[in-house]
Amino acid sequence: DAGVIQSPRHEVTEMGQEVTLRCKPISGHNSLFWYRQTMMRGLELLIYFNNNVPIDDSGMPEDRFSAKMPNASFSTLKIQPSEPRDSAVYFCASSLWRLGQPQHFGDGTRLSIL
Amino acid sequence: AQTVTQSQPEMSVQEAETVTLSCTYDTSESNYYLFWYKQPPSRQMILVIRQEAYKQQNATENRFSVNFQKAAKSFSLKISDSQLGDTAMYFCAFMKLGISGTYKYIFGTGTRLKVLA
Repeated sequence: DAGVIQSPRHEVTEMGQEVTLRCKPISGHNSLFWYRQTMMRGLELLIYFNNNVPIDDSGMPEDRFSAKMPNASFSTLKIQPSEPRDSAVYFCASSLWRLGQPQHFGDGTRLSIL
Repeated sequence: AQTVTQSQPEMSVQEAETVTLSCTYDTSESNYYLFWYKQPPSRQMILVIRQEAYKQQNATENRFSVNFQKAAKSFSLKISDSQLGDTAMYFCAFMKLGISGTYKYIFGTGTRLKVLA
């Protein structure tokens, strides 16, 4: 079975550029989560969706961050304009919206903003 | 509010020995799930083990087992016969799904485990 697929695996870009991270959840999963991981702040939940609808975006750090889920099989996290402090590993995870169902993570995107 | 605490930032263990990673949590809920995830240097987040709060029996997966103490709100992970491949960051996570549909999946700050040859 295919797991959660994220792209790109690595992204290096210059400050001020727009960055788009992509995620394909596991087929059949109806919940999708975006996390950011840094040494300083650990694993932070940015936003999550249920049935393609954003449920909680209180973790999104600034208006420069936006996330969409146009359909059940695709989501994007966009940063515009990017800043060096956005450098981190960004994870996407998916799950069934049911008690006891674990989140399944993608391999993450390592983002470096120069 | 629910919190998850992992009080050991780093640990080490000799290969083939047993190590226990601690996790405590705070909740007023009666039904919830607890998980342990492993994140090796390759950075994948891998589910190790899951425990339902209503089950008194401790979950076991091969060399991994938990000691779930519901009254004490403690959920420790025991790794037996440690292997070099167990070197990773380990995260404890708490999950609940409220009646009104509120969803909580909270991770601890992690414990970095190093298995020594």
